[in-house]
Amino acid sequence: EVQLVESGGGLVQPGGSLRLSCVGSDFNLNNYWVTWVRQVPGMGLQWVANINQDGSKKYYVDSVRGRFTVSRDNTRNSVFLQMNSLSADDTALYYCSSAIAAPESLWGQGTLVTVSS
Amino acid sequence: QSVVTQPPSASGTPGQRVSFSCSGSSPNIGKNPVSWYQQLPGTAPQLLIYNNDQRPSGVPDRFSGSKSGTSASLAISGLQSEDEADYYCLVWDNSLDFCVFGPGTKVTVL
Repeated sequence: EVQLVESGGGLVQPGGSLRLSCVGSDFNLNNYWVTWVRQVPGMGLQWVANINQDGSKKYYVDSVRGRFTVSRDNTRNSVFLQMNSLSADDTALYYCSSAIAAPESLWGQGTLVTVSS
Repeated sequence: QSVVTQPPSASGTPGQRVSFSCSGSSPNIGKNPVSWYQQLPGTAPQLLIYNNDQRPSGVPDRFSGSKSGTSASLAISGLQSEDEADYYCLVWDNSLDFCVFGPGTKVTVL
C-alpha cells in the first residue's frame, strides 16, 4: 500500500529532544518536497518545516527555527525532524506530507509528541 | 494568530451550496497559489484543491476553488453529510518565508 509512515513520537521532558522519521512505503519519497505539519488535538493545523528533494533547501516556521532541523536520507527513502529544546508548546500530533500542494499529495497518519514533566 | 483568516464555521442543509473564504494580504494570497485541505474527524488532512482552483483526481467536482486579489474561496455544491469536516487553506508567505495555514472552517450539515 502506498503510504507515508511517521514514527519517533513519544513522551519527553521539557528541554529534551526527539527525532521523528517519515518513511515512504511503496512510494518514492525522494522525488518530492516533504513538509512537516503539526496539530494540537482539537486545534488547527500548523505548518512546521519543509525540505526539497536533494535537501539543499529547508524552511521553518519562526517558532521552531533554531531548535528543529529537517533532513533527509534518500538512500533510505526517509525524511527526519530533529527536535531539540522541546517545550509544552511543541506538544502535538506531527504529520509528514509529500508534495503537500500538488496533485500527488500524500499524508501520513501522524506521530504524537507529548512534552511534559 | 494566523496571517490568513477563515470564518470559524459554515453550515447548510443537504443539497445546498456553501462557500467560505480564506482572506490574506499581498505577501501571501496576493502573490502565491492557495491550496485547500479537508480533515474528517480523527483522520489526516487530504488535499482538495491546489493552485487556487485545481482538483486532484478523485476529488468530486462538487468542490471548487477560486481566488481574487488577496482572498480565496472554497465552495461545496450539493452538500452531503459526508462533507462534515474541517477545511483549511494553505499559502506561502513571501514576507515570513514559510507557509501558513488558515485557522480552519468547520462545516456542519444541518
